Amino acid sequence: DGGITQSPKYLFRKEGQNVTLSCEQNLNHDAMYWYRQDPGQGLRLIYYSQIVNDFQKGDIAEGYSVSREKKESFPLTVTSAQKNPTAFYLCASKRDRGLNIQYFGAGTRLSVL
Amino acid sequence: AQSVAQPEDQVNVAEGNPLTVKCTYSVSGNPYLFWYVQYPNRGLQFLLKYITGDNLVKGSYGFEAEFNKSQTSFHLKKPSALVSDSALYFCAVRDRDDKIIFGKGTRLHILP
Repeated sequence: DGGITQSPKYLFRKEGQNVTLSCEQNLNHDAMYWYRQDPGQGLRLIYYSQIVNDFQKGDIAEGYSVSREKKESFPLTVTSAQKNPTAFYLCASKRDRGLNIQYFGAGTRLSVL
Repeated sequence: AQSVAQPEDQVNVAEGNPLTVKCTYSVSGNPYLFWYVQYPNRGLQFLLKYITGDNLVKGSYGFEAEFNKSQTSFHLKKPSALVSDSALYFCAVRDRDDKIIFGKGTRLHILP
């Protein structure tokens, strides 16, 4: 998990509440990604960003929002519009658009109270 | 669209036996394929990748993968399994937009 820090490790959300998951990387990578992991469904892409101040929706962006104001930071907000937010959330980064590997953080487990 | 399929949800192997975790792919153009491993409550760790060249790719922890273009497969292998190899394994493919598309994962159990 070296170089990518996700916080908090565990997070609880009350109904109607927005919560923000932090992802910080010190690898000087251009690209960053957010995935949601549910049992038996693998990893599904929520949002990704290939450069500062730009990001694109992934396959399951509804109910989520992101920002990329700094190269090293890519926070994910789970909004109240996301009706089933309980999951394990993984942040990843990659050096650039080339054939480089992704590096992953240790994840945040989000549960609903 | 690019995709990968992992046909087995779970694979059980006795310690010391060879192991294979299967992956098939569907891509337009050249396939760029990856294997990652995930231990409980952790992020994914890179094992190996195929870009071009030799069909047998060697990676971390003694794992290797065989790229087979005619069968559109990229199976992960290890000659002798260890109990510590027990984990969740993901096959992945890079698509044209530089997104990485993951399979659903295969849980590998190595039995002592």
